[in-house]
Amino acid sequence: EAAVTQSPRNKVTVTGGNVTLSCRQTNSHNYMYWYRQDTGHGLRLIHYSYGAGNLQIGDVPDGYKATRTTQEDFFLLLELASPSQTSLYFCASGNQDTQYFGPGTRLLVL
Amino acid sequence: GDQVEQSPSALSLHEGTGSALRCNFTTTMRAVQWFQQNSRGSLINLFYLASGTKENGRLKSTFNSKESYSTLHIRDAQLEDSGTYFCAAEGAGNTGKLIFGLGTTLQVQP
Repeated sequence: EAAVTQSPRNKVTVTGGNVTLSCRQTNSHNYMYWYRQDTGHGLRLIHYSYGAGNLQIGDVPDGYKATRTTQEDFFLLLELASPSQTSLYFCASGNQDTQYFGPGTRLLVL
Repeated sequence: GDQVEQSPSALSLHEGTGSALRCNFTTTMRAVQWFQQNSRGSLINLFYLASGTKENGRLKSTFNSKESYSTLHIRDAQLEDSGTYFCAAEGAGNTGKLIFGLGTTLQVQP
């Protein structure tokens, strides 16, 4: 079973704040993904990567940067957080078939 | 427009009964995944299908790419089956990206 961990699990910041969400997977998957989940919208893809140093734009990328430093680690960066980015963020990993999700990070932007 | 239409949006079952959840796709999809989101918010993998039918315990899923739909059948529902069920489809471009439906919230009652 794939192991995907996320940190922090909960985060509160203020408008304009700088936030980094971390994700690590330990199953040598090539692909990693960042999603946000909001009521009425389901899960939406922010950014994804198919290997260290690679970054692909997802469906809702505005206001987010991401960086894949190693095969295991994928970071989501909010450099000027806004209240509209209050959400539940999921990281996932996979190899072009099944995706395995982390436990999620709840972010509140005041 | 929405590419993954999930129905029903909500469903209530008594223990021991069953029902079917459905996803319709507005474009050609190469594969589908089904997830359960439990009360803690965790996304649990149920099935990955590129075609045909898979069964696991009380759950059975079918994916028909030509007719653009997938179903998830639950039989002998148990209280722990409560949660939100998502289907997520991968488009024909083989990008590894998933497009999620809005989910079916299932409540199983004693």
